[in-house]
Amino acid sequence: GAGVSQSPSNKVTEKGKDVELRCDPISGHTALYWYRQSLGQGLEFLIYFQGNSAPDKSGLPSDRFSAERTGGSVSTLTIQRTQQEDSAVYLCASSLGRGGWEQYFGPGTRLTVT
Amino acid sequence: GNSVTQMEGPVTLSEEAFLTINCTYTATGYPSLFWYVQYPGEGLQLLLKATKADDKGSNKGFEATYRKETTSFHLEKGSVQVSDSAVYFCALISNQAGTALIFGKGTTLSVSS
Repeated sequence: GAGVSQSPSNKVTEKGKDVELRCDPISGHTALYWYRQSLGQGLEFLIYFQGNSAPDKSGLPSDRFSAERTGGSVSTLTIQRTQQEDSAVYLCASSLGRGGWEQYFGPGTRLTVT
Repeated sequence: GNSVTQMEGPVTLSEEAFLTINCTYTATGYPSLFWYVQYPGEGLQLLLKATKADDKGSNKGFEATYRKETTSFHLEKGSVQVSDSAVYFCALISNQAGTALIFGKGTTLSVSS
């Protein structure tokens, strides 16, 4: 079956612009996660959605970052007024549920802020 | 807080050599433990997992045993291949505290023929 897909695969933007990154999880997966992978910080959790519950936003690094998940499926991560330190690979993952369920990762979106 | 520490890389081995990548963790409660692998140009893939003490996860010739007494989950393979060259990440989910994977910084493995 189809895996987690993300778009775009690469995004280059100028400092100060807003960007939107999209994630399509595996059908039937109720949990969706966003992570960020950067050279300096490794893999960091950003935000988590589970069903209709309020999202866990504890990993968002600043209020310039936000995410939504529409209809319990597709998710969009938005970064406003991008900064150079936002340059990273943004990974989306989905799973059947929270806790020990396996998380399946998408290929990521490489964001470069110039 | 919860954390994962894994050995610094890069690890450089010849084909058929024995591999160990050390991983230790700090967590409240009883976490589930994972090894993920990222092959060049590809996304993260789950390699193996263990959900309770003394469990052994295994896949593709790799093994790791959940050792609660030493808070460790070391990755081993008896005979590596060039195709094993990748970045390996140890990770945990604390079943008490949270929902997200907490990753180590990754270990790059390079295998030459």
